[in-house]
Amino acid sequence: DAGITQSPRHKVTETGTPVTLRCHQTENHRYMYWYRQDPGHGLRLIHYSYGVKDTDKGEVSDGYSVSRSKTEDFLLTLESATSSQTSVYFCAIADSSGANVLTFGAGSRLTVL
Amino acid sequence: GIQVEQSPPDLILQEGANSTLRCNFSDSVNNLQWFHQNPWGQLINLFYIPSGTKQNGRLSATTVATERYSLLYISSSQTTDSGVYFCAVEGKDSSYKLIFGSGTRLLVRP
Repeated sequence: DAGITQSPRHKVTETGTPVTLRCHQTENHRYMYWYRQDPGHGLRLIHYSYGVKDTDKGEVSDGYSVSRSKTEDFLLTLESATSSQTSVYFCAIADSSGANVLTFGAGSRLTVL
Repeated sequence: GIQVEQSPPDLILQEGANSTLRCNFSDSVNNLQWFHQNPWGQLINLFYIPSGTKQNGRLSATTVATERYSLLYISSSQTTDSGVYFCAVEGKDSSYKLIFGSGTRLLVRP
């Protein structure tokens, strides 16, 4: 996925441990998003950012925090992972041209045991 | 918040057939996009179409914003069209937040 990289791509962890997923972009886009994808639910917005240190909650933000200290990186943190947070996490970016067309990363599969 | 409903949830076609996927939304929108998720999980933007009609090869999309729906047409379907199709909308009062429908899963058989 040109210009957007997620890490790690796969992670298995235990309940109660902290987890951080990283989204890195080289497009200098203003907007960055974290979604989770679960069977039967499509993609649900967790948090998004509209600039450095500017973030807001999405549909399913409980149990998640984010940080954006520089334009290129948007971090998603699970302070204490639970089994209900087992999911595939997608990062997306969009520019500020007006269309706000999303470009997605390849996804990060997280399993919480 | 804005609600997004897609239909049908599942669709099976023979190669060469045409299909229409629908996206209904509950409020006025600033932004509407269609995406295809291939069987390997990759999400690709197909259209940015808050209103009007666009075409890209065998795919076309129409959004009737006043009636709060959008349609995605797939003509002469191919096996590579298989996957899940999502629409996503940004409500007029929901700056920058794109909310997804639950998708239409399409299987094209050879």
